[in-house]
Amino acid sequence: DAGVTQSPTHLIKTRGQQVTLRCSPKSGHDTVSWYQQALGQGPQFIFQYYEEEERQRGNFPDRFSGHQFPNYSSELNVNALLLGDSALYLCASSLFSGSDTQYFGPGTRLTVL
Amino acid sequence: DAKTTQPPSMDCAEGRAANLPCNHSTISGNEYVYWYRQIHSQGPQYIIHGLKNNETNEMASLIITEDRKSSTLILPHATLRDTAVYYCIVRAGPQGGGKLIFGQGTELSVKP
Repeated sequence: DAGVTQSPTHLIKTRGQQVTLRCSPKSGHDTVSWYQQALGQGPQFIFQYYEEEERQRGNFPDRFSGHQFPNYSSELNVNALLLGDSALYLCASSLFSGSDTQYFGPGTRLTVL
Repeated sequence: DAKTTQPPSMDCAEGRAANLPCNHSTISGNEYVYWYRQIHSQGPQYIIHGLKNNETNEMASLIITEDRKSSTLILPHATLRDTAVYYCIVRAGPQGGGKLIFGQGTELSVKP
């Protein structure tokens, strides 16, 4: 049973660039949530996708956007990268109508230079 | 979502029980207590959750006080691999609306 997978593992970008991170949910899950974790901090909720729509959003600017595909996989896009966007980006999947427990992937480490 | 308070760090001897406390005095009736842990630079790992009854699984036990204002996560026989940051989170239960609000957690160090 495949767990949550994320790609790439690591990424280095420069300020002003755009980045796309990808997530495949755990088998049988239909909901994907994205979190940002700065060094030394707990993860912060960015947004959640279910049925290809953004269902809930945290306190992040519009530079952060996402998408969910019919196979439930998801992308996180960040435009106009800032140095402060350097962080571990985590994807979590869950079953919307089930127990709703979120299971996390290993994360993508983004470094903005 | 209710706020939680955890000690910033704890030590535990290998093979002994690790008891991690969490205060959530403003918890409401429909909110569950969830525990996750995060080993350095990895994604958080789900451990256990509960509403009001004590819960046990293969990883840990969760003891919730009768007034539900605090709880304790118990790792019965801690190993070096249990060294991690442990997060206590309170949120509405199934179909509870998605987001997990992480605090600073407790950094547990298991020592030989």
